[in-house]
Amino acid sequence: DTGVSQDPRHKITKRGQNVTFRCDPISEHNRLYWYRQTLGQGPEFLTYFQNEAQLEKSRLLSDRFSAERPKGSFSTLEIQRTEQGDSAMYLCASSPSREIRSEQYFGPGTRLTVT
Amino acid sequence: KNQVEQSPQSLIILEGKNCTLQCNYTVSPFSNLRWYKQDTGRGPVSLTIMTFSENTKSNGRYTATLDADTKQSSLHITASQLSDSASYICVVTDSWGKLQFGAGTQVVVTP
Repeated sequence: DTGVSQDPRHKITKRGQNVTFRCDPISEHNRLYWYRQTLGQGPEFLTYFQNEAQLEKSRLLSDRFSAERPKGSFSTLEIQRTEQGDSAMYLCASSPSREIRSEQYFGPGTRLTVT
Repeated sequence: KNQVEQSPQSLIILEGKNCTLQCNYTVSPFSNLRWYKQDTGRGPVSLTIMTFSENTKSNGRYTATLDADTKQSSLHITASQLSDSASYICVVTDSWGKLQFGAGTQVVVTP
């Protein structure tokens, strides 16, 4: 399977714990995006990378959230001191170029439940 | 206020019937509009993409229309199948490449 992959697919954690998610984009896609999606809503933009550079962060990305893409390939999203409001599906997407028409290919998502 | 509004929020249709989903947007300046299908627990998958100059695009039993003057789009599903049960999300890209997502229409196809 050469699509976008995310790991884990599901994560249950207790409030206050730290969690880290991984995204592997389609090979040679230089743009990588993170989104958060709550039930019954469309995805909300969190941040994106052009190669290893993090170019934009949403205001939704509080200081408890950090994302990295150290070698311009896979990316990690870490949430520290999780809160119940962090429960959501976290989606990763990648695209091959800077062109506006360039499609974003989404991964299957990581569903986070904070108890 | 969300710049992409979809209706209805949900609908139930009988297998074999047709249905039409609506998307109104205020995103400006406009670059393109995509319809995505999202199965439960999965990431969205692109169905169609239309730019300003395109007013219809088909992908199998899915047909999307775009009226850039009134800023409206529709997605028509013909001869629905059980596998069409999913959330359909309208996504508008502005000229700077920023995506604005609608909340989606949840479609349930019943036998």
